[in-house]
Amino acid sequence: EAAVTQSPRNKVTVTGGNVTLSCRQTNSHNYMYWYRQDTGHGLRLIHYSYGAGNLQIGDVPDGYKATRTTQEDFFLLLELASPSQTSLYFCASSDGGQGDNQAPLFGEGTRLSVL
Amino acid sequence: GEKVEQHESTLSVREGDSAVINCTYTDTASSYFPWYKQEAGKSLHFVIDIRSNVDRKQSQRLTVLLDKKAKRFSLHITATQPEDSAIYFCAARVQGGRALIFGTGTTVSVSP
Repeated sequence: EAAVTQSPRNKVTVTGGNVTLSCRQTNSHNYMYWYRQDTGHGLRLIHYSYGAGNLQIGDVPDGYKATRTTQEDFFLLLELASPSQTSLYFCASSDGGQGDNQAPLFGEGTRLSVL
Repeated sequence: GEKVEQHESTLSVREGDSAVINCTYTDTASSYFPWYKQEAGKSLHFVIDIRSNVDRKQSQRLTVLLDKKAKRFSLHITATQPEDSAIYFCAARVQGGRALIFGTGTTVSVSP
């Protein structure tokens, strides 16, 4: 069964702390995405990747790094977390490619609080 | 870049009535328009999509309409049920584009 698994599901850190959010997909999808969800803003794209070693910048990249280590694994790194990064983070995957018209599959989300 | 505006932030309907959510987009090259449903405390789940080569698509009680001239698309839910209560997100992708751009979401509440 197609799946996108995120960990941890909840995380609390302090301002200035380091946080790594993990995402694994078992769908053999090429594309993986990181979004953040905030009330009044919907989902905003942070970073995405179309394969291992590839990284593309999204619409709200400031304060975030990402790394795609394998086709399955995509990580989001917050090296100096700030309270403005308190949010619900979603990872998603899709087959991707030019002309791709498939709806990405989303993970269950990670709720991050930066105190 | 592409922007998607979702016009209704909240929508309250009585069970059995219809609900309509409207979205507009800015990039005329957009070619793919999916809709997602998010129940309270849960993730986003795909419900229906439409591609730019058609102007209407129906799946059971859901219908999506696309007006390319007006750069507008809408989700119609008929015979609403309490389990339709959720946040609905529209999204758009430019042909060959990088990722979905989402609207801000519409909270639909269906009351008995």
